[in-house]
Amino acid sequence: TQLLEQSPQFLSIQEGENLTVYCNSSSVFSSLQWYRQEPGEGPVLLVTVVTGGEVKKLKRLTFQFGDARKDSSLHITAAQPGDTGLYLCAGGNNAGNMLTFGGGTRLMVKP
Amino acid sequence: NAGVTQTPKFRILKIGQSMTLQCTQDMNHNYMYWYRQDPGMGLKLIYYSVGAGITDKGEVPNGYNVSRSTTEDFPLRLELAAPSQTSVYFCASSYGQGSLGTEAFFGQGTRLTVV
Repeated sequence: TQLLEQSPQFLSIQEGENLTVYCNSSSVFSSLQWYRQEPGEGPVLLVTVVTGGEVKKLKRLTFQFGDARKDSSLHITAAQPGDTGLYLCAGGNNAGNMLTFGGGTRLMVKP
Repeated sequence: NAGVTQTPKFRILKIGQSMTLQCTQDMNHNYMYWYRQDPGMGLKLIYYSVGAGITDKGEVPNGYNVSRSTTEDFPLRLELAAPSQTSVYFCASSYGQGSLGTEAFFGQGTRLTVV
C-alpha cells in the first residue's frame, strides 16, 4: 500500500508570511497532484507534476516534485486570507487508475 | 458544463437503513471513484471503476456496493447503515490515460450522518 504523509497537519499564519507544506512517501509515484478544498466543497486540482525535479509555479504558489518522485512540496509566498483551506497532495500509481491521498494540511491565513 | 454532480447533498439515516448516493459526470471520463472523508482527514478510496461494467475495491470497501452500467453514472449503495459510515462522500472522475490520467474532478460531496 502506498502512503503519503503531509506535514504540518495544521498551519495558522499572518497575511504576508511565507509557508511550505510537505508531502512525503517511501513509494515512487508516476505523478503527484495538489488539490485545495474549501469547506463544504470537493477538492479542486491546483497542479500536477510528473517529472522528478519538476518545479511548477501558479502565481504565488510553487510546487516541486522530488528527484526520486517520492516527495513534493508546496510553497506559498506572501500568503493571503484567500489561501485559507485544506491542501491535499495525491500520488498517481503507474497503472493510472488510482490516486493515494495524503492526510491534508489545514491552512488558515489571518488578516 | 456541470462536471461531476452528486445527490443528495445531505442525508440522515437511521442505523440499519439503506440508501444510494447518486453520481453522474458529463465529461465522458472513463474512470470514476468514490471516496469518503472523515472530519479533518484526507480521502480514502472506497470503490473505483475504469469503465462501464467494471468496478474494483479500493482501500475501505466494506459496507458499500457500486455498479457502473453507463459511462456517466456511478452510484454508491450503502446497505445496513452503521454509525461508522458517518462521513462526507465524494464522487470523482478522471480521463484515466497517460501520466495526467489520474487528474480528478470532484463533486460537491454528500454529507451523511447515521444515527
